[in-house]
Amino acid sequence: QSVLTQPPSVSGVPGQRVTISCTGSSSNIGAGYDVHWYQQLPGTAPKLLIYGDNNRPSGVPDRFSASKSDTSASLAISGLQADDEADYYCQSYDSSLSGSRVFGGGTKLTVL
Amino acid sequence: EVQLLESGGGLVQSGGSLRLSCAASGFPFVGWAMGWVRQAPGKGLEWVSTISGSGSGTYYAGAVKGRFTISRDNSKKTVHLQLNSLRPEDTAVYFCAKFKGLRFENYAFDFWGQGTLVTVSS
Repeated sequence: QSVLTQPPSVSGVPGQRVTISCTGSSSNIGAGYDVHWYQQLPGTAPKLLIYGDNNRPSGVPDRFSASKSDTSASLAISGLQADDEADYYCQSYDSSLSGSRVFGGGTKLTVL
Repeated sequence: EVQLLESGGGLVQSGGSLRLSCAASGFPFVGWAMGWVRQAPGKGLEWVSTISGSGSGTYYAGAVKGRFTISRDNSKKTVHLQLNSLRPEDTAVYFCAKFKGLRFENYAFDFWGQGTLVTVSS
């Protein structure tokens, strides 16, 4: 059971916009800690996609965006492409255990 | 170019020990917090441990506290994770990752190694 809750899967067709939710609590997202998003392509290491709620590292296209409100966050992918098919994880800090980083359970994005 | 290269994984019996290493290059290393994240087969990501840039601060997930120890050698730009009293549920790919950010609580993992597989047999 992950501290942050994500839907197990989402799907969309090329060109569509999809969103992935990430629900936390008052000890993590609700406490104002930043939410980060990672993309993990099959068989590879995770890659930082969004940091600090809605900042993109160099090289990440602006089709990827994120938002946060209260105890939840969401990742939006517009202009869906076939190579966006991957697992996506949200991550934040949780004050219940010193230094604790928490992840969502991951969402598998399928491009139909 | 930032590179993180993990080593030390392998097959070990329940109750055994392993020492994982992560060799870093492409950034100053000293002053940068580092961490370990694991992924069990077919499962999601799980934070394991963090060490501060100086090495003076160490943090552990509840599932590994008291069994795993993180350390760093700044002269060799290396981070280690000592795994003791291993259990079958510790079986996972262990990723080394570098942190970025201004505030400790808001650090993000901005670069990841390719991971090293630890398999614990019962």
